[in-house]
Amino acid sequence: GDSVTQMEGPVTLSEEAFLTINCTYTATGYPSLFWYVQYPGEGLQLLLKATKADDKGSNKGFEATYRKETTSFHLEKGSVQVSDSAVYFCALGGTSGGSYIPTFGRGTSLIVHP
Amino acid sequence: DVKVTQSSRYLVKRTGEKVFLECVQDMDHENMFWYRQDPGLGLRLIYFSYDVKMKEKGDIPEGYSVSREKKERFSLILESASTNQTSMYLCASRDRVGQPQHFGDGTRLSIL
Repeated sequence: GDSVTQMEGPVTLSEEAFLTINCTYTATGYPSLFWYVQYPGEGLQLLLKATKADDKGSNKGFEATYRKETTSFHLEKGSVQVSDSAVYFCALGGTSGGSYIPTFGRGTSLIVHP
Repeated sequence: DVKVTQSSRYLVKRTGEKVFLECVQDMDHENMFWYRQDPGLGLRLIYFSYDVKMKEKGDIPEGYSVSREKKERFSLILESASTNQTSMYLCASRDRVGQPQHFGDGTRLSIL
């Protein structure tokens, strides 16, 4: 079945540092890919998405590129802020011909220190 | 803007009680989902519904049931609550396969 593997956390950085959170996947077909963010005490919210190979999703300074050849969707940000401290989830959106149900990674906790 | 509303943020119940968690979405979405979230275990799917009155079991349906009588509302039912059902419960909706999910703020349920 489909699966998502993302790096374990916590990832601890100083403010203005560069962030990479790795995400790789296995899937039947060509699913949409998502990054969600969960702030303390809240539900998940969509951070960015990509629907086909080589698409780059971006939002709030975060970026991720859909790499079909390496089955990866790594999240990056050039300069993190304390307010970026949260848990980040990589996810597959499901496909009509494969798994209909979204598949999530375990989540990566990011802690940013001033 | 999209809105998924869960009826309670915090809930405390006793073992053996029948517990209802309600979720309402205002986007006319076809699909709705119930997850539980526990430290170190990520999100685990309990049930999902791909249309009104249609439901399918997820990864951990034991001890739970669901109801979807109207498109906008998806209820999770703990038939006889047990302490191992203490958790954060998240509801989500989605327009169709391949589209992103929209989540509620979650219900933190404690079973004493």
